[in-house]
Amino acid sequence: GAVVSQHPSRVICKSGTSVKIECRSLDFQATTMFWYRQFPKQSLMLMATSNEGSKATYEQGVEKDKFLINHASLTLSTLTVTSAHPEDSSFYICSAATDRVGGNTIYFGEGSWLTVV
Amino acid sequence: AQKITQTQPGMFVQEKEAVTLDCTYDTSDQSYGLFWYKQPSSGEMIFLIYQGSYDEQNATEGRYSLNFQKARKSANLVISASQLGDSAMYFCAMVPFGSSNTGKLIFGQGTTLQVKP
Repeated sequence: GAVVSQHPSRVICKSGTSVKIECRSLDFQATTMFWYRQFPKQSLMLMATSNEGSKATYEQGVEKDKFLINHASLTLSTLTVTSAHPEDSSFYICSAATDRVGGNTIYFGEGSWLTVV
Repeated sequence: AQKITQTQPGMFVQEKEAVTLDCTYDTSDQSYGLFWYKQPSSGEMIFLIYQGSYDEQNATEGRYSLNFQKARKSANLVISASQLGDSAMYFCAMVPFGSSNTGKLIFGQGTTLQVKP
């Protein structure tokens, strides 16, 4: 089946630095990918829709200058947390959908645990 | 408005017994997909089962079945013969298809299931 890979799985960074998380579709092309954020014991909240070759669409309340999204190819989207602060510590996970019609068409990366110290 | 509601924050079930996790949804779209995911403490999102809005039969996948009641807008997950490894957080999610399947999921709040030995 389709596979989405996310890297790194865990990252610790210092306050004020930037960290990049990659999301790759390994065996299909994804014109659209999605980035979610999840706090402990809470639901997944959509941050933004990553569109290949164009600007990302951010959900209300998500700072686009802080969470930079680049979808430079049909298989790679990156999320960069800029000037990270401890409150940015969270679980970030990406997903992508295949063009197949019907059934499960959505695949998640493994997720990335970000800790800002 | 598109919304998924899971009213059970936490559930307990005895090993080998069946358990039902509730999910109701709200959408004005005629075509949509409903998903259930399992999220263990590692964070990965494990796809369990999918139900399309036009599917006449309830979806089943091994020990998982989806009790789809379209008129009531409910999509409850039934797990039969619970196992200790079923202890995790479970999310109900929906993709309203609109004009196309974008893969943009709307998640419920989640239900934490604990299986007792």
